[in-house]
Amino acid sequence: AQSVAQPEDQVNVAEGNPLTVKCTYSVSGNPYLFWYVQYPNRGLQFLLKYITGDNLVKGSYGFEAEFNKSQTSFHLKKPSALVSDSALYFCAVRGVGGATNKLIFGTGTLLAVQP
Amino acid sequence: NAGVMQNPRHLVRRRGQEARLRCSPMKGHSHVYWYRQLPEEGLKFMVYLQKENIIDESGMPKERFSAEFPKEGPSILRIQQVVRGDSAAYFCASSPGPGLSSYEQYFGPGTRLTVT
Repeated sequence: AQSVAQPEDQVNVAEGNPLTVKCTYSVSGNPYLFWYVQYPNRGLQFLLKYITGDNLVKGSYGFEAEFNKSQTSFHLKKPSALVSDSALYFCAVRGVGGATNKLIFGTGTLLAVQP
Repeated sequence: NAGVMQNPRHLVRRRGQEARLRCSPMKGHSHVYWYRQLPEEGLKFMVYLQKENIIDESGMPKERFSAEFPKEGPSILRIQQVVRGDSAAYFCASSPGPGLSSYEQYFGPGTRLTVT
């Protein structure tokens, strides 16, 4: 069965410092991986995806993610955090099998950026 | 280009009533997905629809829940005889038709259902 793990419930970082939000996955075949961000009482906003190609994927708002097949990881990174980056971050993998296009989400990581 | 629209944004129902949640996908998108987010949890897939077809309903509870995406009009998620455990945020997402871009799902603001 496909699954996604986000091992940290919360990540704290000072503004201006680099940030990393971790994600590991388990899926048969080639993974399609995604990062979304959720602000309070809002829907999810798409940040970036990995389908194929370069292992380093660049996305919205200065975020990037590195796909590592040997470690089955897809960590989200940003060189310099902003207070406005504080939000809930979800990693997701596309389900496989049949005609489904569903996303399987991790439990989320709350990012808190201190000024 | 308007994003995914959901209404109502907030819905309060008493136990035993019916809840109807509506979702209008982004313009040009023909695929709709429904997800449920329980308090303090991540999103769980419920159902995936294309116009007039249910493609994957593996996440739908066996009873009381149904979904449709008619040829005309919004997608509807219907919950009959609601119970307190149905209280959650329900998110709709849409994506374009076939091709690599179909893997990007764009989410609406959600409907927060409260069952009293």
